[in-house]
Amino acid sequence: GQSLEQPSEVTAVEGAIVQINCTYQTSGFYGLSWYQQHDGGAPTFLSYNALDGLEETGRFSSFLSRSDSYGYLLLQELQMKDSASYFCAVRDGAMDSSYKLIFGSGTRLLVRP
Amino acid sequence: EAGVAQSPRYKIIEKRQSVAFWCNPISGHATLYWYQQILGQGPKLLIQFQNNGVVDDSQLPKDRFSAERLKGVDSTLKIQPAKLEDSAVYLCASSPGDGLAGVGPETQYFGPGTRLLVL
Repeated sequence: GQSLEQPSEVTAVEGAIVQINCTYQTSGFYGLSWYQQHDGGAPTFLSYNALDGLEETGRFSSFLSRSDSYGYLLLQELQMKDSASYFCAVRDGAMDSSYKLIFGSGTRLLVRP
Repeated sequence: EAGVAQSPRYKIIEKRQSVAFWCNPISGHATLYWYQQILGQGPKLLIQFQNNGVVDDSQLPKDRFSAERLKGVDSTLKIQPAKLEDSAVYLCASSPGDGLAGVGPETQYFGPGTRLLVL
């Protein structure tokens, strides 16, 4: 089966850098996705890594190591609006025709002034 | 481009009553998903449609939940009868979904969700 592990909560100061880790176990692997969700809001797609390495999109970067079954989301120059929950997700590899995403339990990021 | 639309946004019912949720995906998106998100947890897939066919409903409690996607566009999710543990946010998402890894399926666009409270 599939499982993902990520820290439940992270606190950081405005302007700082924070890293949110995710380890996964899957029966088949296509790639690792990251979603952001503000309280009361909908999950919003942030990034997707299919290959090893770092992908940068503005202040956010995402890293993947397939050999270690590990990835992380890096948020730089933290802003108060970055306070939200961040979910890593993998595609269920059991069925080629299913695009089901398996989500982690989420990391709640609190940015303090 | 309009996003995924859902209604109602909030619903309070008593246990054993029935409830229905509606979703209109992004225009042209072939794949539609219904997720259940319990407070403090990640979304859990209930059912996935490709056009108007069901691809995956392995985690849908079929004794009480049903879903349909007529004409391959809008979709409805129904719970009958509701239980206390059904209290959650029900999220609808859509994606282009052309079946190729890394092209579309991992990028899902979520609607605002319906917050259901069962008393």
